[in-house]
This record gives sequence, C-alpha cells and structure tokens, in this order.
Amino acid sequence: DTEVTQTPKHLVMGMTNKKSLKCEQHMGHRAMYWYKQKAKKPPELMFVYSYEKLSINESVPSRFSPECPNSSLLNLHLHALQPEDSALYLCASSQPGTRQETQYFGPGTRLLVL
Amino acid sequence: QQPVQSPQAVILREGEDAVINCSSSKALYSVHWYRQKHGEAPVFLMILLKGGEQKGHEKISASFNEKKQQSSLYLTASQLSYSGTYFCGTAGGTSYGKLTFGQGTILTVHP
Repeated sequence: DTEVTQTPKHLVMGMTNKKSLKCEQHMGHRAMYWYKQKAKKPPELMFVYSYEKLSINESVPSRFSPECPNSSLLNLHLHALQPEDSALYLCASSQPGTRQETQYFGPGTRLLVL
Repeated sequence: QQPVQSPQAVILREGEDAVINCSSSKALYSVHWYRQKHGEAPVFLMILLKGGEQKGHEKISASFNEKKQQSSLYLTASQLSYSGTYFCGTAGGTSYGKLTFGQGTILTVHP
C-alpha cells in the first residue's frame, strides 16, 4: 500500500480564519513532508519531519505551523493567511536514510484564501 | 539549486517517442522522475542512483550520467495516458530526502 491520504480535498478560508490540513500514511514511513505547489510550477518544499522531529523548515512564514503528532500523521495549521498562499498543498512520505529514498505524494488539498 | 529541464513542452501523436532531459549544476546522488496529471498528485515513476544507470518501466526508461550531472527520461511508443507534466527531482549530499524539482516538462499526446 503506497497511499498517502489528505483532508480536506478543498478548502476556502478568509484571511482571519484558522484551519488545519491533515495528512496520514500507513506505510511505516518515518519522514513526512509538506510541499506547496502553485499552478504550472513544481512542488516547493516547505517542511520535513524525520522521526517525528522537524528537520527542515524552508524559511516558511510563521502563519504556517506544522505538527507531527505521531509517525503516521502530519498536520499543517494555517492562520492569518494571505491570498497569495492559495495553492495546492501536497503531503509526502518516505523511509529516510538511504539513497533509494522515494517520496510518495498524497492527492493534495486545494486551498483558496479570500 | 533547481535542476533545468528541457524541453519545456512537447506535443506528440500516439506512437511517437520523446526524450526529456534534466541537468544540474551540482553533484547529484540521485534523480527521481515523477508524472503529474492536471489536478492530481505527482506519481513516482523511477529513481536513478548510479552513474550511467539505466532503468525501465514498461515503455518508459531513464538514464543517469553522474559525471555530466544529467538524467534523461525516454518515452517510447507514447500512449494517450502519458500526457501530463513530468518533473525530475534531484537530491545531493546527505540530504537524501530533500528533493529539488525542475520546472517541469508538459507532455501532450494526441490521437
């Protein structure tokens, strides 16, 4: 099973709202990722968790707050977003530590900030 | 640093072949190829790990020239289902999990 699930599929929020994106995997992977993808652009790495610890933060604004409650779950908390944050947010997972580390992506959450 | 893909777009008729290239200015330890259809998640195609390595997946294969820091994806006898945007993701050093994606190549296959 190479499935990564994400909820919700679509999200519309105002600039003063607080919302959360959720990601889950049951492949036993110990690395999980958040990417942001704008239309016609490649995915851009935001955060990496390795063994439930934040290992990479690609200078993401603090209005995005990641959380990894356990090895299967990854959340992205959103607060006071801007319209330019509208994008597809992708979660991925992998088994860390080898050169054969393959990332498997979830279907994404399409976010619209009004 | 972002790898560079070429061409940016390619249009094919069913049954034709295509090559997509990915090059980097940095030393590479691995190259990952993904295909993304409109509105969907990127789907993993294959990973190349060694210099000169060639891998295959049905009618899609790839090569990796570690010395030249280049990888090429070969699509033969293209099918309508091959349409989508192809991304190469590169990893260098010990950050195996940190992929940097090229800008993508849009492949369109017509009947």
